[in-house]
Amino acid sequence: DIQMTQSPSSVSASVGDRVTITCRASQGISSWLAWYQQKPGKAPSLLISATSSLQSGVPSRFSGSGSGTDFTLTISSLQPEDFATYYCQQSSVFPWTFGQGTKVEIK
Amino acid sequence: QVQLQESGPGLVKPSQTLSLTCTVSGGSIISGRYYWNWIRQHPGRGLEWIGYISTGGSTYYNPSLKSRVTISVDTSKNQFSLRLNSMTSADTAVYYCARDVQFRGMDVWGQGTTVAVSS
Repeated sequence: DIQMTQSPSSVSASVGDRVTITCRASQGISSWLAWYQQKPGKAPSLLISATSSLQSGVPSRFSGSGSGTDFTLTISSLQPEDFATYYCQQSSVFPWTFGQGTKVEIK
Repeated sequence: QVQLQESGPGLVKPSQTLSLTCTVSGGSIISGRYYWNWIRQHPGRGLEWIGYISTGGSTYYNPSLKSRVTISVDTSKNQFSLRLNSMTSADTAVYYCARDVQFRGMDVWGQGTTVAVSS
């Protein structure tokens, strides 16, 4: 299985901060990477597909980049509604696998 | 817009079979190039992909669960289902159904259903 490793596991940040989350795949996955946001008690919500394609309705402060094995999710200016856990997921090789999650907390 | 809703028992006894159904509303389960997935999340932990069934009826399962999993579709009811047999406490989790668009990410999710395994 491809291991997806996110860093950091958690980050404390303030409203307005720039936050960057990294996702590293144990082998190359081209651009087959998605990012999700999950709030407590809710289902995950797709933010970005195919590494950098912003889903309809997702604010432009979210962006994704990378290719191969190294990917990043950036929130350019953190808003109160962005405090959540973020997951990356690869769909290049079966079984599809997720990162362990990055919790973005209020500083 | 398409919505998904899981249904099934909240409690299953050890060794029994779990049966969950995902009802698709707002669109046909057989239209488009979609993959209908099951994912689970153990308490306080990350996400585990269980498998999918495509609009064409092909399936793919996570090898870690393959011997115990069946995903099927009922086009007449616009539903797809998960069966997981030989349940143990390690299968206690929130189970989600979700739609994937051509392997580009799961863009529609159900709200999730909590399944506990206990005698």
